[in-house]
Amino acid sequence: GQSLEQPSEVTAVEGAIVQINCTYQTSGFYGLSWYQQHDGGAPTFLSYNALDGLEETGRFSSFLSRSDSYGYLLLQELQMKDSASYFCAVSSGGYNKLIFGAGTRLAVHP
Amino acid sequence: GAGVSQSPSNKVTEKGKDVELRCDPISGHTALYWYRQSLGQGLEFLIYFQGNSAPDKSGLPSDRFSAERTGGSVSTLTIQRTQQEDSAVYLCASSSGQGASYGYTFGSGTRLTVV
Repeated sequence: GQSLEQPSEVTAVEGAIVQINCTYQTSGFYGLSWYQQHDGGAPTFLSYNALDGLEETGRFSSFLSRSDSYGYLLLQELQMKDSASYFCAVSSGGYNKLIFGAGTRLAVHP
Repeated sequence: GAGVSQSPSNKVTEKGKDVELRCDPISGHTALYWYRQSLGQGLEFLIYFQGNSAPDKSGLPSDRFSAERTGGSVSTLTIQRTQQEDSAVYLCASSSGQGASYGYTFGSGTRLTVV
């Protein structure tokens, strides 16, 4: 089967940097994705890593280490609007199938 | 359409009744997915369609759940004889068929409450 672990809650202040970690156990791994979901909203796609290393997209970066079955999402210059839940997800058991973690709730304070 | 459309947005039903949830994916997206999200929880995979066929329905919780897709477009998730544990937000997503790398686009979901 598959399992993903990520912290349930993270708190940070505006302007700071926060890292949300994700470890996974799965077979047939294809890649690691990150999604953001505001309360009451739909999940939105942030990033996808298939290869080891860091991918940067504006204030957000995502990292993957396949050998360690580990990845993280890095959010820089935090803004109040970044308060949301962040989910890591693995593509496994089929290229098109995403299995999601339980999510990390990020609270950004002034 | 411009996004993934789901209807109804909210549904309250009595225990034992059948419900149908509809998903209209982005035009041209060949892959369609159904997920379920309970309050404060992660997304639970239910079923995946590629075109009109469902290569992976391993997440359907019981035989009360079924789904179909017609014309490579609209999908319907049917829950028969609803139970209180079926209460959740049912999310539909579509993608261009290039796998997870291009990201899934999710609809706003149907909030199902079984009373």
